[in-house]
Amino acid sequence: AQSVSQHNHHVILSEAASLELGCNYSYGGTVNLFWYVQYPGQHLQLLLKYFSGDPLVKGIKGFEAEFIKSKFSFNLRKPSVQWSDTAEYFCAVSGQAGTALIFGKGTTLSVSS
Amino acid sequence: DTGVSQNPRHKITKRGQNVTFRCDPISEHNRLYWYRQTLGQGPEFLTYFQNEAQLEKSRLLSDRFSAERPKGSFSTLEIQRTEQGDSAMYLCASSSTSGSGQFFGPGTRLTVL
Repeated sequence: AQSVSQHNHHVILSEAASLELGCNYSYGGTVNLFWYVQYPGQHLQLLLKYFSGDPLVKGIKGFEAEFIKSKFSFNLRKPSVQWSDTAEYFCAVSGQAGTALIFGKGTTLSVSS
Repeated sequence: DTGVSQNPRHKITKRGQNVTFRCDPISEHNRLYWYRQTLGQGPEFLTYFQNEAQLEKSRLLSDRFSAERPKGSFSTLEIQRTEQGDSAMYLCASSSTSGSGQFFGPGTRLTVL
């Protein structure tokens, strides 16, 4: 079955700490991978996406993610988090571009100043 | 604001009533998606349109749910004979055919009493 697994339900970090959020997927065939972020009181925003090419993709606000095909993973990283990164982060996968997204359950990130 | 808009933002209804939600996508996007999100879960796909054609429906979409996009612009999602289990956030997203990523609206929060 097609699915996305996010390893951490809630991550708590201090400002300037490094971040890595895990995401593994189960999906047959070509995949497109996404990270979305939802800040408190706001709607889902696209953080970054991978369609093909360089497996290391850079997104907004200093975030990056690496696609490792052999591990079916697409982990999100940021070298130094800020208090404003406090949000819920969702990993998602789709097949052919433009088709339905399958989301993970999300990871809540709390950053203390 | 040129993003995806949804109306109403909140809807409270009694069990057994019908409700209808509206989504206005980003104007140049020809694909429109509906998702449902409950507390502690990621969004779950319901259905999507390319222009006015409904291309895919999830098994989650029971016979009580119907979606339309009559002119290929805005879309409506109707739930008939609402049940308490229908209480959720209903999200709309849009994208271009090139699949640059789906852009989400603020959602309609439905509460069924």
